[in-house]
Amino acid sequence: DTGVSQNPRHKITKRGQNVTFRCDPISEHNRLYWYRQTLGQGPEFLTYFQNEAQLEKSRLLSDRFSAERPKGSFSTLEIQRTEQGDSAMYLCASSPRTEANYGYTFGSGTRLTVV
Amino acid sequence: TQLLEQSPQFLSIQEGENLTVYCNSSSVFSSLQWYRQEPGEGPVLLVTVVTGGEVKKLKRLTFQFGDARKDSSLHITAAQPGDTGLYLCAGAPQGGSEKLVFGKGTKLTVNP
Repeated sequence: DTGVSQNPRHKITKRGQNVTFRCDPISEHNRLYWYRQTLGQGPEFLTYFQNEAQLEKSRLLSDRFSAERPKGSFSTLEIQRTEQGDSAMYLCASSPRTEANYGYTFGSGTRLTVV
Repeated sequence: TQLLEQSPQFLSIQEGENLTVYCNSSSVFSSLQWYRQEPGEGPVLLVTVVTGGEVKKLKRLTFQFGDARKDSSLHITAAQPGDTGLYLCAGAPQGGSEKLVFGKGTKLTVNP
């Protein structure tokens, strides 16, 4: 297994466009998390899945954001009508256990720039 | 909202020096984790501490969890340029929360 894979690594888009990011977790991990990180900040929680079920969404996740994990495998994060404030690193992580104690394996992230 | 405060925010030292970074909260956590992140990459897990007062060592890195499980520290002995990076602490809130809360990180630069 090559770890958590995120695509694309970089995305530049014009304000108002829609973007979609993909995350492929470690295959045996049933927990998948999305975080967002801006410059000088730590990662902020967005949402997480247990298999295909989305169990929690942060209040940071406006109606323009949607995430899916069909069949409990890869996940996608879509941002509609992007705004400059959406510019950030979007991080995906997976974990084999339900307990947060166990630790996450992060992907390399997708850096989004909205111009 | 359970917050983790990390200090210092920035640290620049010479190779061979020792350093300690701190992670503090007014809340109790069932565990604390430390990650290191390099520019343009995702965080990489270094260690998890679970028991109050627990000390773990990873080569030149020593991690400690406070007795009350509200704080943690990371001590690096004889720092090397390869230790350069953003050190993040992350807590699992008490009560079985299933997501981690991250601090803002300490950006460490070790100069040759």
